[in-house]
Amino acid sequence: EPEVTQTPSHQVTQMGQEVILRCVPISNHLYFYWYRQILGQKVEFLVSFYNNEISEKSEIFDDQFSVERPDGSNFTLKIRSTKLEDSAMYFCASTLEGRNQFFGPGTRLTVL
Amino acid sequence: DAKTTQPNSMESNEEEPVHLPCNHSTISGTDYIHWYRQLPSQGPEYVIHGLTSNVNNRMASLAIAEDRKSSTLILHRATLRDAAVYYCILRDLNTGNQFYFGTGTSLTVIP
Repeated sequence: EPEVTQTPSHQVTQMGQEVILRCVPISNHLYFYWYRQILGQKVEFLVSFYNNEISEKSEIFDDQFSVERPDGSNFTLKIRSTKLEDSAMYFCASTLEGRNQFFGPGTRLTVL
Repeated sequence: DAKTTQPNSMESNEEEPVHLPCNHSTISGTDYIHWYRQLPSQGPEYVIHGLTSNVNNRMASLAIAEDRKSSTLILHRATLRDAAVYYCILRDLNTGNQFYFGTGTSLTVIP
């Protein structure tokens, strides 16, 4: 069964550094998403992406964040200058028709 | 998206049915009811969704009240692998297709 994959599984970085989290959505899917989950808290929507542009974003997704689909398979989330409060699990999701989303296993980001 | 209310936690014995309730009294006519679950240390996983009629799939059944103000996710025989946080989420495709997760119900399955 096709699945969403994410790399790395765990990323440790220093505050102020840039990080890029990578996702490979299911190959024929058209809608892509990033969510995050701070330890012990709810899963929070960050951004949705369709037709090579952002379709929706939350207030969490400020100028420090950006997304890109650099080729036909990868979907990336970049955080330009990480803060301690960016430490969280980041989940990528994709869907074909915008209805049922398939989530990846997540990347644990630790900012020191 | 309209708000849902779920119990914080529930317990079930292994191999018994589990009924997970969700109240959504402010649901609109175009809101779909979605259920996802999150196993420990994993990403959310789709379980089932419906609009008005009851739905069955290989994982679970979804019973939707006639007035749509509540719904129940039914796991027919709980296994230890079903221990997870279950989220009931309303989503109106007319206003965007992202999900807004609540705190969900943490299901404990007792062997």
